Amino acid sequence: SQTIHQWPATLVQPVGSPLSLECTVEGTSNPNLYWYRQAAGRGLQLLFYSVGIGQISSEVPQNLSASRPQDRQFILSSKKLLLSDSGFYLCAWKGANGANVLTFGAGSRLTVL
Amino acid sequence: GQNIDQPTEMTATEGAIVQINCTYQTSGFNGLFWYQQHAGEAPTFLSYNVLDGLEEKGRFSSFLSRSKGYSYLLLKELQMKDSASYLCAVRDSNYQLIWGAGTKLIIKP
Repeated sequence: SQTIHQWPATLVQPVGSPLSLECTVEGTSNPNLYWYRQAAGRGLQLLFYSVGIGQISSEVPQNLSASRPQDRQFILSSKKLLLSDSGFYLCAWKGANGANVLTFGAGSRLTVL
Repeated sequence: GQNIDQPTEMTATEGAIVQINCTYQTSGFNGLFWYQQHAGEAPTFLSYNVLDGLEEKGRFSSFLSRSKGYSYLLLKELQMKDSASYLCAVRDSNYQLIWGAGTKLIIKP
């Protein structure tokens, strides 16, 4: 069966510090991978998605970036965090065969102080 | 612009029935999803509608009317564990998911 792992679960970072959130998927190959941010009272905001190694599409211009160094690994990064980057970050995958359902990782709660 | 509307919060009683509505205005339509999200956890898939009508899955049912841009999630025989947020999402003509802000459902004994 397929599983998705996301870490760290929580982190508190000072403004201006770097960020790295990691997501890996097991039990599938060539998944579509996604990074979302969820702010209180707002819908999930798609940040990045990837349909393959090294292929990244950005939906929202900001100081975040994403990379996909391996087929089942997706990384969300920032060189300098802003206060507004605080939120709940969710990694998700969808089968590349057109399966309809997004499956989410457990999420990473980021607080920027 | 694209928009998904659902109530911010609802309260219901254990054992009762509750209906959570979702209206949408999107660029095209390629399916509507309902997800359940407990506080501090990831959303989990509940249902998918692409054709008009009712889809039933145990205590949960989801209805879609494409002509009205409307869906609802019906929860029967409410249990305390059903206390969660319920997210409505629509896939548009570009196959991108547009998400509502979620409805927080509070179940009282």
